Amino acid sequence: EIVLTQSPATLSLSPGERATLSCRASQSVSSYLVWYQQKPGQAPRLLIHDASTRATGIPARFSGSGSGTDFTLTISSLEPEDFAIYYCQQRGSWPSSFGQGTKLEIK
Amino acid sequence: QVQLVESGGGVVQPGRSLRLSCAASGFTFSNYGVHLVRQAPGKGLEWVAVIWYDGSELHYADSVKGRFTISKDNSKSTVYVQMDSLRGEDTAVYYCARDRGSGSRFLDFWGQGTLVTVSS
Repeated sequence: EIVLTQSPATLSLSPGERATLSCRASQSVSSYLVWYQQKPGQAPRLLIHDASTRATGIPARFSGSGSGTDFTLTISSLEPEDFAIYYCQQRGSWPSSFGQGTKLEIK
Repeated sequence: QVQLVESGGGVVQPGRSLRLSCAASGFTFSNYGVHLVRQAPGKGLEWVAVIWYDGSELHYADSVKGRFTISKDNSKSTVYVQMDSLRGEDTAVYYCARDRGSGSRFLDFWGQGTLVTVSS
């Protein structure tokens, strides 16, 4: 099973700042890496698929990069609604797996 | 619009069984795979299972293999999850989510989840 490790566990930033979230896989997942956002009491929402493709309706301030084992989600300028928990998921091999999440909180 | 509605959650004793349903609408159900993802209280997401668009392929997390069975009724636009030999660590909100393709892509629409509590 592929293990995904997200860092940091918590990221404290202010609106307008740039956020950089990391996801590292225990073995290569090629570009089969997905990012989701989850707010309290809500289901997750798809942000980025195939490492760097924004989902429909996702603002351009969200971007993804990486391949193989190292991936990054970048939010260029934080809006108040971006403070949430972010998860990465690999679909490179079965069973699929999620990272443990990065909580993005307001500083 | 795409909708997924889970039902069947509740409180169940350890060792007993429960069946969850996931009813879909707003899209051609028979063309898409469906995943099951769970989230224990205060914890992160855990991928649980997937069923291919036509039911031809299934995959499970090691934590539920042999205890959970996922099935798909395309005539009813519904996915079922039979959960047997339930344990305390199965307590979680269970989400069903549509796969963007046949079953091996990404989860583009999610239901709101149903809570399963395993407790004596």
